[in-house]
Amino acid sequence: DAMVIQNPRYQVTQFGKPVTLSCSQTLNHNVMYWYQQKSSQAPKLLFHYYDKDFNNEADTPDNFQSRRPNTSFCFLDIRSPGLGDAAMYLCATSRDSGRLPYEQYFGPGTRLTVT
Amino acid sequence: QQPVQSPQAVILREGEDAVINCSSSKALYSVHWYRQKHGEAPVFLMILLKGGEQKGHEKISASFNEKKQQSSLYLTASQLSYSGTYFCGTEIGSENRDDKIIFGKGTRLHILP
Repeated sequence: DAMVIQNPRYQVTQFGKPVTLSCSQTLNHNVMYWYQQKSSQAPKLLFHYYDKDFNNEADTPDNFQSRRPNTSFCFLDIRSPGLGDAAMYLCATSRDSGRLPYEQYFGPGTRLTVT
Repeated sequence: QQPVQSPQAVILREGEDAVINCSSSKALYSVHWYRQKHGEAPVFLMILLKGGEQKGHEKISASFNEKKQQSSLYLTASQLSYSGTYFCGTEIGSENRDDKIIFGKGTRLHILP
């Protein structure tokens, strides 16, 4: 089945130790999104790729970086995780034609714990 | 830019109806509705485009009033499976799209048997 896969599902990292979260998709969607969701809060958009074009949200900390080496894969790098970065990180994809919006398909998320 | 959802939480008995509202201070191109169950990823319900259309999905429907920049989600004869947090996501834009959505804070819905 076509889907959005996130690895790992649970990640524990130490304060200040770089960590990378990965997302892959078999949907062949051209848009990929990274969201941060803290407990009982809305998913907060960090950045998204429209094809190869990277779009960073104005309030996304510089500590967060992203790479999209090809259509199928997207990575979230947190260079120096702080305690406040502990959250669920959701990857989502969308087949966007530019004229009409389409639904986003979410992966199961990676729960990041910072110790 | 974050849309405002109301109410924050609803408790219903199975079979009762509910309305969840979403409003924005900006002109909207589209409104998206998602449901998220505890510990799971959000799941798409429907998209409404500007034009005031109403959509339906079984006993869940929604409307979009672009003049008021508001959308409402209607849950009819609620089922236990409807429990979860409902998020509206708004895409800003009048003539051109913004190609991203910003989620509201969510409405927690709990259905009692």
